[in-house]
Amino acid sequence: SYVLTQPPSVSVAPGQTATITCGGNNIGSKSVHWYQQKPGQAPVLVVYDDSDRPSGIPERFSGSNSGNTATLTISRVEAGDEADYYCQVWDARGVFGGGTKLTV
Amino acid sequence: EVQLVESGGGLIQPGGSLRLSCAASGLIVSSDYMSWVRQAPGKGLEWVSIIYSGGTTYYADFVKGRFTISRDNSKNTLYLQINSLRAEDTAVYYCARTGDRGYFDYWGQGTLVTVSS
Repeated sequence: SYVLTQPPSVSVAPGQTATITCGGNNIGSKSVHWYQQKPGQAPVLVVYDDSDRPSGIPERFSGSNSGNTATLTISRVEAGDEADYYCQVWDARGVFGGGTKLTV
Repeated sequence: EVQLVESGGGLIQPGGSLRLSCAASGLIVSSDYMSWVRQAPGKGLEWVSIIYSGGTTYYADFVKGRFTISRDNSKNTLYLQINSLRAEDTAVYYCARTGDRGYFDYWGQGTLVTVSS
């Protein structure tokens, strides 16, 4: 089965740029989606199809995908961005990465 | 506005059964792809099952025939029947609309299933 690998944690200072990676075998050939989840809340889709943003998601959230790594980039990080982030692909079934806790 | 409201969770003994419901508004369950995703306490997200608009269903390997996804078009409601419950099935269960490339764009608030004696 397909496996997605994320770093368990990432720390960043306010105003800086956070980069969260998602590794998978030839992941560049798949569409990658990213979710933000704050404690006690349902996940929220922040990036889909590698780099598209749903309406209402700030432009500070961006994504890229190539080779064996997909990346979620959060620019000008704010305290409110502190959350768990999950990458996900569809490989005949839903596959999630293990999640990355972003600490601001 | 899309709203998904899950219900049916609770405390259940090992080996028991439960039916989770997801009442939808702002979308038509029979016209969309709909999934269940679960999250064990303190753990990550885990996809459970999908039902396509045509009625085809798929399940995660760990289901092993114990879960059944279905829908009631007249009630615009999605269901997940869970049988032979195990302690490791303890989780918050979310329903989510699924886009054509597999992303989950609308989520319910989740319903907690606790399997314990």
